[in-house]
Amino acid sequence: QVQLVQSGAEVREPGASVKISCKAFGYTLTDYYLEWVRQAPGQGLEWMGIINPSGGSTSYAQNFQGRLTMTTDTSTNTVHMELSSLRSEDTAVYYCARSLISGWHVMDYWGQGALVSVSS
Amino acid sequence: QSVLTQPPSASGAPGQRVTISCSGSSSNIGSNIVNWYQQLPGMAPKVLMYSNDQRPSGVPDRFSGSKSGTSASLAISGLQSEDEADYYCAAWDDSLIGYVFGTGTKVTVL
Repeated sequence: QVQLVQSGAEVREPGASVKISCKAFGYTLTDYYLEWVRQAPGQGLEWMGIINPSGGSTSYAQNFQGRLTMTTDTSTNTVHMELSSLRSEDTAVYYCARSLISGWHVMDYWGQGALVSVSS
Repeated sequence: QSVLTQPPSASGAPGQRVTISCSGSSSNIGSNIVNWYQQLPGMAPKVLMYSNDQRPSGVPDRFSGSKSGTSASLAISGLQSEDEADYYCAAWDDSLIGYVFGTGTKVTVL
């Protein structure tokens, strides 16, 4: 069955970078786009961006331009999301989600989430 | 601050009907489809409705969606205790060139 399994929780100091992985099971990674959404503690959902694992093209939300990078490793069926220049406001649970229909952002399968804590 | 506005909370007794509104603008809801997500406590979100009024397989027909102009709504009829969750609308925004989620609505079953 389809599953997205994310890497574990991370703790970083302000100014550092974090890289989270999202490994796909039960389907071919390159058949669907993959999106990233984050949720700060007690807050709502925030869309970060999307990657087409087939070819690697990306689109990032304006809020993250310049410090967000999404990459694909098709040999391991894994997508990576790296966020740099971390600040305390980046403390959140980061989710990857499969995008079912191209252009519609219908996220039908989600990873379990990875908590990133940014603190000095 | 999200560009899609939802009421912070909604509630109803079991069996009642609850409606959640989502107010946007011409650059998002007015020109793009709306999806709805349900987030149970401590869980990842789940798509509840897509393309304004389409239910994914497995979503009960107690849930229905609609869109008119720059607003959308999600209705839950025959409210059940397991419907207690946070609900988010979402749409692409042509001005922001990004996907935006609503502010979220917490549904409580009395």
